[in-house]
Amino acid sequence: DQQVKQNSPSLSVQEGRISILNCDYTNSMFDYFLWYKKYPAEGPTFLISISSIKDKNEDGRFTVFLNKSAKHLSLHIVPSQPGDSAVYFCAHHGQNFVFGPGTRLSVLP
Amino acid sequence: DVKVTQSSRYLVKRTGEKVFLECVQDMDHENMFWYRQDPGLGLRLIYFSYDVKMKEKGDIPEGYSVSREKKERFSLILESASTNQTSMYLCASRPTSGNTGELFFGEGSRLTVL
Repeated sequence: DQQVKQNSPSLSVQEGRISILNCDYTNSMFDYFLWYKKYPAEGPTFLISISSIKDKNEDGRFTVFLNKSAKHLSLHIVPSQPGDSAVYFCAHHGQNFVFGPGTRLSVLP
Repeated sequence: DVKVTQSSRYLVKRTGEKVFLECVQDMDHENMFWYRQDPGLGLRLIYFSYDVKMKEKGDIPEGYSVSREKKERFSLILESASTNQTSMYLCASRPTSGNTGELFFGEGSRLTVL
């Protein structure tokens, strides 16, 4: 079974600086990893994904890096903005979806 | 834009009551899902459905059932609500093919069981 871990429950970053959110997984068999962003009292929204055949995917201020040997991926947000304050979920998409517990990002003005 | 609509944003129920959570999507997606979100636990899959009349148990199906009579509608049923079912419930849908597999979520239904 796939396990997805986000070991930092929370992260605070100054506006304009880089935010790095981390995710570790246990099972090497997967198709995609996805990052979702969730504001309070709203459903998660898709942010960015990376396929198993890539090691980097970039979309504007958001970049996801995949290190398959370490079974680790990270989401970089540069520059961080106060509107980025939310809970971020890492999700594995293989046979089904497995979500990590989430990291709460606070971007301080 | 894909629209996933959950009928109730906030509900308060008493222990033992029957609870219906309705979800409708307007993009003709084959796959629909019910998750619950609890702090520190992320999103956990309760049930999912690949087609009309079909349902599959997820990771935590106990105490729940589902109904998919029409392609666009997926209902979650708590036959006898208990306090440990107090949670945020999230419905999601996605097509079988054509994208990276992203799920489209509704806004969530926050259920409190007293």
